[in-house]
Amino acid sequence: AQKITQTQPGMFVQEKEAVTLDCTYDTSDQSYGLFWYKQPSSGEMIFLIYQGSYDEQNATEGRYSLNFQKARKSANLVISASQLGDSAMYFCAMRVFRNQAGTALIFGKGTTLSVSS
Amino acid sequence: NAGVTQTPKFRILKIGQSMTLQCTQDMNHNYMYWYRQDPGMGLKLIYYSVGAGITDKGEVPNGYNVSRSTTEDFPLRLELAAPSQTSVYFCASSYATGSYSNQPQHFGDGTRLSIL
Repeated sequence: AQKITQTQPGMFVQEKEAVTLDCTYDTSDQSYGLFWYKQPSSGEMIFLIYQGSYDEQNATEGRYSLNFQKARKSANLVISASQLGDSAMYFCAMRVFRNQAGTALIFGKGTTLSVSS
Repeated sequence: NAGVTQTPKFRILKIGQSMTLQCTQDMNHNYMYWYRQDPGMGLKLIYYSVGAGITDKGEVPNGYNVSRSTTEDFPLRLELAAPSQTSVYFCASSYATGSYSNQPQHFGDGTRLSIL
């Protein structure tokens, strides 16, 4: 069965430090996409970064990078130089095929990141 | 720059009442989705649509219905509200994509629904 696992319910980090949020996935598909979303306390879902299963290089978007280890089926999010505004819930998600030739995302349970000054 | 718009933002229903959560997008996306997020959990797919007139069930469809008569609109209907349907509901949309596509889903701001 296709599944996303985030094993860290909460993470704590100080400003300017780097932090890694873990994500492992399970799929038998060869072609898939992995996403990270940020959900601040205000509730909206903000897309951060994407990694495709065939991408040879790890994705980067500003202070966000994705440590993709395909053989281990892990796609960890690394946030460098944490800021107070990074305090939020972070979700890892995988795009999977559905019926009717459509695709949708399956989500992990999320990790709450708290950044302190 | 409207993106995905959901109404209402908050609603309290009594058990057994019905209501429709509205969702509209102005990005000409083919795919639209409804998710629910229970406290402390990730999002779970309720229904999705790959185009006008085409809908299909997700992981947790029981107690809900959808329709897609236009590209822009994808309303979610609760017929007989139950306490188990207390949740935050998110509508999302994206371009038609394969599983490998880098096109993200764009989310609305959510509807917080309480059933009492």
